[in-house]
Amino acid sequence: GENVEQHPSTLSVQEGDSAVIKCTYSDSASNYFPWYKQELGKRPQLIIDIRSNVGEKKDQRIAVTLNKTAKHFSLHITETQPEDSAVYFCAASKERGDTGRRALTFGSGTRLQVQP
Amino acid sequence: ETGVTQTPRHLVMGMTNKKSLKCEQHLGHNAMYWYKQSAKKPLELMFVYSLEERVENNSVPSRFSPECPNSSHLFLHLHTLQPEDSALYLCASSQKTRPQETQYFGPGTRLLVL
Repeated sequence: GENVEQHPSTLSVQEGDSAVIKCTYSDSASNYFPWYKQELGKRPQLIIDIRSNVGEKKDQRIAVTLNKTAKHFSLHITETQPEDSAVYFCAASKERGDTGRRALTFGSGTRLQVQP
Repeated sequence: ETGVTQTPRHLVMGMTNKKSLKCEQHLGHNAMYWYKQSAKKPLELMFVYSLEERVENNSVPSRFSPECPNSSHLFLHLHTLQPEDSALYLCASSQKTRPQETQYFGPGTRLLVL
């Protein structure tokens, strides 16, 4: 099955700096890669996703890059703010058959702390 | 709350108890999922239901029994659990129509097994 590894497990940055979180996946058939943000005591919330037909996607201060050949994808947060502090999870999935069924395999999470 | 709701939000049970977790989605989705989130571990997929049919079961112990009576409701029946089953149980839903496959999570049920 799919295996997703995520690094680093913790990341501390100063407000205004950039943060980068990296994930690798094992199944070359995976084609959908979402990122979730989970604040303390709250549910995971999708913040950005990318599909295998594109190499980069941006949404304001957040961007995700995908390298299919190397089987890794990264989350980039620029101009970090204290409210960016949370645990971030990457995930990978693939579509199974004609039914479109898929399930997410998650990375172990990165705890991001933005120091004011 | 709208979207995906879960009840109860917190549950404490003994190892001999039987309880059920409930998930309800108000998004018109046709697929629902149960995940387990333990401390310092990745979210672990437990069950996937698509169109009310269980399509994936990640070798979960039989003391966890899911039920999906319709596309809006998902239950997780618990019996004779172990202390190591204490975790946050998250429900999610999605619309299995290509190309969209975004999963939306509920707030979770924090379970403590004594």
